[in-house]
Amino acid sequence: SYEVTQPPSVSVSPGQTASITCSGDRLGTKYVCWYQQRPGQSPVLVIYRDSKRPSGIPDRFSGSNSGSTATLTISGTQAIDEADYYCQSWDSSTVVFGGGTRLTVL
Amino acid sequence: QVQLQESGPGLVKPLETLSLTCSVAGASISNYYWTWMRQSPGKGPEWIGNVHHSGSTNYNPSLKSRVTILLDTPKNQFSLKLASLTAADTAIYYCAGKEDFAGYGLDVWGQGTAVTVSS
Repeated sequence: SYEVTQPPSVSVSPGQTASITCSGDRLGTKYVCWYQQRPGQSPVLVIYRDSKRPSGIPDRFSGSNSGSTATLTISGTQAIDEADYYCQSWDSSTVVFGGGTRLTVL
Repeated sequence: QVQLQESGPGLVKPLETLSLTCSVAGASISNYYWTWMRQSPGKGPEWIGNVHHSGSTNYNPSLKSRVTILLDTPKNQFSLKLASLTAADTAIYYCAGKEDFAGYGLDVWGQGTAVTVSS
């Protein structure tokens, strides 16, 4: 079965840029979405179709996808961005989620 | 604004079948893929399966033998049945939806309902 892999944790200082990766075989040939989940809340879609932001998502969130790696980038990271982030893609008609990355804003 | 609300029992016995319903408000059940997700304590979300507004379904291969997802268009609801429950099925269950376009993500989620499998 298809798998995507994320680093368990990423740390960033306030105001700096955070990059969270998602790796999978030929992932660049598939669409990738990213979700933010704060404790006790439902996930929120922050990026779809590799790099598009839903309405209401700040423009400090951006995404890219090429080769075998997709990347979520948060520019000017704020304390409110501290959360778990999950990448998601598709393998044929099956939906696949990464294991998640905990972003800590130190 | 689309809103989803899960409903169902919070406690189910081992080997029984879990039945959950997701009520959709603020949108027609057409034009969307409707999805069930779950999340065990301390783990990431797990995709259970989805149902297209046409009624066609896709299931997680690891759960496929135990899962049924159905659409109830007149009631603007969709449902999940998960059979032969074990403690490993204890989780928060979410319903979610995505527009029917390639690459679109799950942009609407319910608040989730906690399900415990225990005798």
